[in-house]
Amino acid sequence: EVQLVESGGGLVQPGGSLRLSCAASGFTFSSYSMNWVRQAPGKGLEWVSYISSSSSTIYYADSVKGRFTISRDNAKNSLYLQMNSLRDEDTAVYYCATREGIFDYWGQGTLVTVSS
Amino acid sequence: AIRITQSPSSLSASTGDRVTITCRASQGISSYLAWYQQKPGKAPKLLIYAASTLQSGVPSRFSGSGSGTDFTLTISCLQSEDFATYYCQQYYSYPFTFGPGTKVDIK
Repeated sequence: EVQLVESGGGLVQPGGSLRLSCAASGFTFSSYSMNWVRQAPGKGLEWVSYISSSSSTIYYADSVKGRFTISRDNAKNSLYLQMNSLRDEDTAVYYCATREGIFDYWGQGTLVTVSS
Repeated sequence: AIRITQSPSSLSASTGDRVTITCRASQGISSYLAWYQQKPGKAPKLLIYAASTLQSGVPSRFSGSGSGTDFTLTISCLQSEDFATYYCQQYYSYPFTFGPGTKVDIK
């Protein structure tokens, strides 16, 4: 059974940093590209970032480019999102999701709250 | 970025009703469109990809159609477990973008 478990969310002040993790199991993680997708409270879904299976290709949404860094460790079956210079508008539930384009498996999400 | 619009933004329906949700892209995206269902407090669930291909395990009362800029999600006979918010998403080009969602609630 495919499982994705996010962690690392919490309350952070504007301008602060946070690192999210996504632990994967039940599939060959190293063969799958991965994504981060977020959802602000009461709002819709926003794709944030993509990383290919070998980390050779990475994309970011304009809203996070230059502030967020996606990475993965295939030996640890883990996906990461380093978030720096956080803003109020980054407050959201962050989901990791498998594959490129078609997000067929999702984690349960981790809440990031940016507030002073 | 490709903009995605959905209509209606919400609708009220009864169990057994046929429900149709429309999604429109700001430019042609061929058939690179997916539909998701999301219930409160839960992660989205993939229903349909490639505009009309049903994801494994999804009931056949869900169907999708369209190509280019105009797409439709149809629920042929609404069940109680179908009350949720539905999102379409284009994956024709980065940044991948979602529609604003359609909330389906009980009449």
